[in-house]
Amino acid sequence: DAMVIQNPRYQVTQFGKPVTLSCSQTLNHNVMYWYQQKSSQAPKLLFHYYDKDFNNEADTPDNFQSRRPNTSFCFLDIRSPGLGDAAMYLCATSREGQAREQYFGPGTRLTVT
Amino acid sequence: GNSVTQMEGPVTLSEEAFLTINCTYTATGYPSLFWYVQYPGEGLQLLLKATKADDKGSNKGFEATYRKETTSFHLEKGSVQVSDSAVYFCALSDKAGANNLFFGTGTRLTVIP
Repeated sequence: DAMVIQNPRYQVTQFGKPVTLSCSQTLNHNVMYWYQQKSSQAPKLLFHYYDKDFNNEADTPDNFQSRRPNTSFCFLDIRSPGLGDAAMYLCATSREGQAREQYFGPGTRLTVT
Repeated sequence: GNSVTQMEGPVTLSEEAFLTINCTYTATGYPSLFWYVQYPGEGLQLLLKATKADDKGSNKGFEATYRKETTSFHLEKGSVQVSDSAVYFCALSDKAGANNLFFGTGTRLTVIP
């Protein structure tokens, strides 16, 4: 089945220790998104790739970076995680176009100790 | 700017009760509207969508009608089941390119037998 896969599902890292979260898709969608979702809140868009073009949201901290080496994979790098970065991180994909739905992965829950 | 306001939860209903979750929006253009559902421990799944005024989206017994005059997209279901227990997010998209979504804060629904 075509899908969005996120690894790992649970990630524990130490305060200040860089961490990378992974997302892959078999849908061949040209747009990929990273969201941060804190407990009982709506997902907050961090950035997205439109093909190879990186689009950062204005309020996304510099601590968060992303790489998209090819159509299928996208990575979220947190350079120096703080306690406030503990959250669920959701990857999503879509084809371009206003009414196109986004397909979400199951998320990676990040714990910072 | 774009924003979505959702009825605050949590909502607790008995099985077979009627469900309404209110959603209103503010948008600069002509948005597409979505309801996403998030089951415990999972990512978001598209429940239904509507792309223009007076469209009705429907899926799994849920319905929502795009009302431009009241800027609303209320979610309804005639008879809820225990398996409908989840968090429901209303969202809008008004960009023709990358399809950025603006989410409401989510409404947690619990259905008791």
